[in-house]
Amino acid sequence: RKEVEQDPGPFNVPEGATVAFNCTYSNSASQSFFWYRQDCRKEPKLLMSVYSSGNEDGRFTAQLNRASQYISLLIRDSKLSDSATYLCVVTPRTNAGGTSYGKLTFGQGTILTVHP
Amino acid sequence: DVKVTQSSRYLVKRTGEKVFLECVQDMDHENMFWYRQDPGLGLRLIYFSYDVKMKEKGDIPEGYSVSREKKERFSLILESASTNQTSMYLCASRRRRQGLNQPQHFGDGTRLSIL
Repeated sequence: RKEVEQDPGPFNVPEGATVAFNCTYSNSASQSFFWYRQDCRKEPKLLMSVYSSGNEDGRFTAQLNRASQYISLLIRDSKLSDSATYLCVVTPRTNAGGTSYGKLTFGQGTILTVHP
Repeated sequence: DVKVTQSSRYLVKRTGEKVFLECVQDMDHENMFWYRQDPGLGLRLIYFSYDVKMKEKGDIPEGYSVSREKKERFSLILESASTNQTSMYLCASRRRRQGLNQPQHFGDGTRLSIL
């Protein structure tokens, strides 16, 4: 089983649509969670961190369910510029000394295409 | 803004050559990482360094080595390049801070082809 699993898509949605991506992770000790965005032939860029209480940044809402080991990303009012690959990312728990080396485990990504 | 610079965007080398990929960051970050990204496999961690002269194997270290002599620079070395090392290579850096969600910042990537 992969450590981080995402539906690869592709998701093709019209402008203005609401779209949701899901992600599951296998390591129950995972501690930090992120959504990254990667445009075609570009590097991944941080979209948002995901907190236990859920968090929102404009049209983007992220949710975390630790019991189910499940993360989601909701995009409202989709724009053409939202077309990209969305990467679900987790980090393992810190070592005994409490220092995180910040290792990330990436999902394969979900491809989103927003069309006019 | 964090700046992570990789020395080449595109690189073509021959089988058996020793290849150096360089990465420099300008934000005094402690942690640095090398990944490769392949279609259908996503990003996979090759090596990482949590501080100067420190290095740890990632998930796929075979055929690679690294060097971190200075804090700002993290080099990936392909000891004897092979065709299965053709890939997109991404470097990232991160500030080490306990208890907080510190993200990684990526360079533009190096698309390496081994002929």
